[in-house]
Amino acid sequence: DGGITQSPKYLFRKEGQNVTLSCEQNLNHDAMYWYRQDPGQGLRLIYYSQIVNDFQKGDIAEGYSVSREKKESFPLTVTSAQKNPTAFYLCASSIARQSSYEQYFGPGTRLTVT
Amino acid sequence: GNSVTQMEGPVTLSEEAFLTINCTYTATGYPSLFWYVQYPGEGLQLLLKATKADDKGSNKGFEATYRKETTSFHLEKGSVQVSDSAVYFCALSDLSGGSQGNLIFGKGTKLSVKP
Repeated sequence: DGGITQSPKYLFRKEGQNVTLSCEQNLNHDAMYWYRQDPGQGLRLIYYSQIVNDFQKGDIAEGYSVSREKKESFPLTVTSAQKNPTAFYLCASSIARQSSYEQYFGPGTRLTVT
Repeated sequence: GNSVTQMEGPVTLSEEAFLTINCTYTATGYPSLFWYVQYPGEGLQLLLKATKADDKGSNKGFEATYRKETTSFHLEKGSVQVSDSAVYFCALSDLSGGSQGNLIFGKGTKLSVKP
């Protein structure tokens, strides 16, 4: 089955630690995205990537970093510089970065930092 | 800049009631419009989409029409079921230059359907 996997589903970390969230897709999609979701809020774009070895900052990139070494993988690192890291993180992909193409989402990772 | 505004929830309906969730947008040009649904603890699933004015997207009994003149994309369903309880997000796809293809989301509307 084609799709997007995110792991783990739940993640707990102590304040001051970096943590990396995994995102893998086997849809052969070129574009991948990371979003953050907070209660009662819409999704906010953190980073996006159109092709391997290239990525751009979204609206709330501060305190986050990404890499795109392989087409199918787009891991997100939440660094200790992120002031409010506790949130639900969603990874998505699309065939290409064109406006008519929908994005497909993974199941999400809920990160709790204490 | 581009933005999406959708009606605040929560919306509570009885089974078989008619559903409308309002969504309006601000954008330059002709963005594509989407409705996504999120069930508790899960990611988002595409419900329907429309890519040009007067297009009607439909899926699983839900439908929405792309109205350029009123900049709206309201979601409707004639008879809701308990299984439709979820959060619904309206989104538009940015057309502007380097952000092309990025989605801009509304804040979501939580729907609860009672038996």
